[in-house]
Amino acid sequence: DVKVTQSSRYLVKRTGEKVFLECVQDMDHENMFWYRQDPGLGLRLIYFSYDVKMKEKGDIPEGYSVSREKKERFSLILESASTNQTSMYLCASTPRPNQPQHFGDGTRLSIL
Amino acid sequence: AQSVTQPDIHITVSEGASLELRCNYSYGATPYLFWYVQSPGQGLQLLLKYFSGDTLVQGIKGFEAEFKRSQSSFNLRKPSVHWSDAAEYFCATTENYGGSQGNLIFGKGTKLSVKP
Repeated sequence: DVKVTQSSRYLVKRTGEKVFLECVQDMDHENMFWYRQDPGLGLRLIYFSYDVKMKEKGDIPEGYSVSREKKERFSLILESASTNQTSMYLCASTPRPNQPQHFGDGTRLSIL
Repeated sequence: AQSVTQPDIHITVSEGASLELRCNYSYGATPYLFWYVQSPGQGLQLLLKYFSGDTLVQGIKGFEAEFKRSQSSFNLRKPSVHWSDAAEYFCATTENYGGSQGNLIFGKGTKLSVKP
């Protein structure tokens, strides 16, 4: 089974802090994704990556950046956290486009 | 832009009753379609997928879905619901063009509650 591991289940940070969310997958998947999930809004794509050192903006990239230095790891960075970034963050991976994505358990991030 | 619509935000069914969750997609000559389930506090788990062929697709946990091209629908069904099926369900398709081709487009989800 594919395993997508997000480093933290719950995280509390303060406004203005730099926040790192880490995601690791163990199936050598090419493609990785970061979503945020908010009640009534469903899943919204923040960034995705098709290869090491490559990144593409999703639907809501503002206030976020990403890093993919190794194939198995995809990091989401909040450069200066704000309260409106309080949310559930989900990481996913897939071997190639049009295939099912495999999700981690999510990180519930609170910005105070 | 492509979209996925799940008309029901919240559905409540009695344990043992049948279930149908609705999903409509826009565009896609040959759509790839998926249903995911999310238990509280968890990530999304794939229930089933449709790529081509038989329009009735079987999935895990006793779920099935039927692809109807004429109605642009991919409804999820289960003949007898169990209390453990209480969760949020997401329908998804894949983007057909542009830089995001192959990425998933999700509906906003349907929350299922199960009465004892």
